Amino acid sequence: ETGVTQSPTHLIKTRGQQVTLRCSSQSGHNTVSWYQQALGQGPQFIFQYYREEENGRGNFPPRFSGLQFPNYSSELNVNALELDDSALYLCASSSRLAGGHEQFFGPGTRLTVL
Amino acid sequence: EDKVVQSPLSLVVHEGDTVTLNCSYEVTNFRSLLWYKQEKKAPTFLFMLTSSGIEKKSGRLSSILDKKELFSILNITATQTGDSAVYLCALRMEYGNKLVFGAGTILRVKS
Repeated sequence: ETGVTQSPTHLIKTRGQQVTLRCSSQSGHNTVSWYQQALGQGPQFIFQYYREEENGRGNFPPRFSGLQFPNYSSELNVNALELDDSALYLCASSSRLAGGHEQFFGPGTRLTVL
Repeated sequence: EDKVVQSPLSLVVHEGDTVTLNCSYEVTNFRSLLWYKQEKKAPTFLFMLTSSGIEKKSGRLSSILDKKELFSILNITATQTGDSAVYLCALRMEYGNKLVFGAGTILRVKS
């Protein structure tokens, strides 16, 4: 069984730039959720994708957008980066068929915005 | 706004000690309460609690939910240095699969 993987592991961007983060869900999982974890805080829900459509969104501006592909992998795109976007971005996958209770997290992407 | 509060924010104990971590919340329309351990990056699942008063146990860890008083506790007995981590409490909300997390408790176990 393959776990959740994310890429890249870390990256550095400057204000105003755009970034794309990637996530491959665990085998058999059809739902992907993205979270932002600032230093010293718990993860904050950004949005969730199910069957290639956004299925719930947290309190994040439209410059945070995403995609889910037919193989259930997902991308998180952030435009016009701001300093406060510096955080650990976590992807979690789950299976609607299995009730979706347990979300399996990837190792995250550490984004630094200068 | 959904709110999950964890306490203490951090604590330092010695190996062999028993610790109790607290999680209180202000919402009632949730499906389950989950505990995660976060050592470096990926939170790893510990427990899912849905019913009040039923203790979940896994080795030295145990957890219970009190839906009347709106809190959960995570107990770790005979702590080891490998228990050092951030422990996160989260609510899985009623609609969709959104998790609302607390800020976490930083546990450091000294040898």
